[in-house]
Amino acid sequence: GAVVSQHPSWVICKSGTSVKIECRSLDFQATTMFWYRQFPKQSLMLMATSNEGSKATYEQGVEKDKFLINHASLTLSTLTVTSAHPEDSSFYICSAKSRGLRYNEQFFGPGTRLTVL
Amino acid sequence: QKEVEQNSGPLSVPEGAIASLNCTYSDRGSQSFFWYRQYSGKSPELIMFIYSNGDKEDGRFTAQLNKASQYVSLLIRDSQPSDSATYLCAPETGANNLFFGTGTRLTVIP
Repeated sequence: GAVVSQHPSWVICKSGTSVKIECRSLDFQATTMFWYRQFPKQSLMLMATSNEGSKATYEQGVEKDKFLINHASLTLSTLTVTSAHPEDSSFYICSAKSRGLRYNEQFFGPGTRLTVL
Repeated sequence: QKEVEQNSGPLSVPEGAIASLNCTYSDRGSQSFFWYRQYSGKSPELIMFIYSNGDKEDGRFTAQLNKASQYVSLLIRDSQPSDSATYLCAPETGANNLFFGTGTRLTVIP
């Protein structure tokens, strides 16, 4: 149980293009999904929190117009990196919290490695 | 400013030994604490969590929590080479999010 998938697992794009990353909870309903970014040899940095049917809450310093998050259902959230630039190259990981869990465990997707040329 | 401090390592232990991973946190409001393991190039996977002072055991893993000292640790008994990874400590914040430390890199030597 508690499986989270991400697609694609890796993507290479040209500077200025937009990239969409999908995050799905496969066997549970996710009340909340989180998007993290991880640069090499650094820890996970929370970018935003999204609840189904409402606008995402972005962490300080994260541009909401650049990183568009849509959480259309209890099993799907998408992150769109708009007008990507080389400095956006990173490992993007989503996680999901299951409805009904008492202690707020987050289950992570396998991550998406984005390379912007 | 929330802070989570972990010794970055690398921590090297021989196979079969006990590995001890430590974490201190600054947010006194944190109530639950999570340990994740992350292999190189992969996403984190949950090992266990603890919310009460004292010890919590799960197989070869034991989490220890001391809220007064703002300290949480993870012990791995009978360490195996497959345990070699980065271990992330993550207290839960008041906003019901997790705040991750930079992790401790563990190497188990066969």
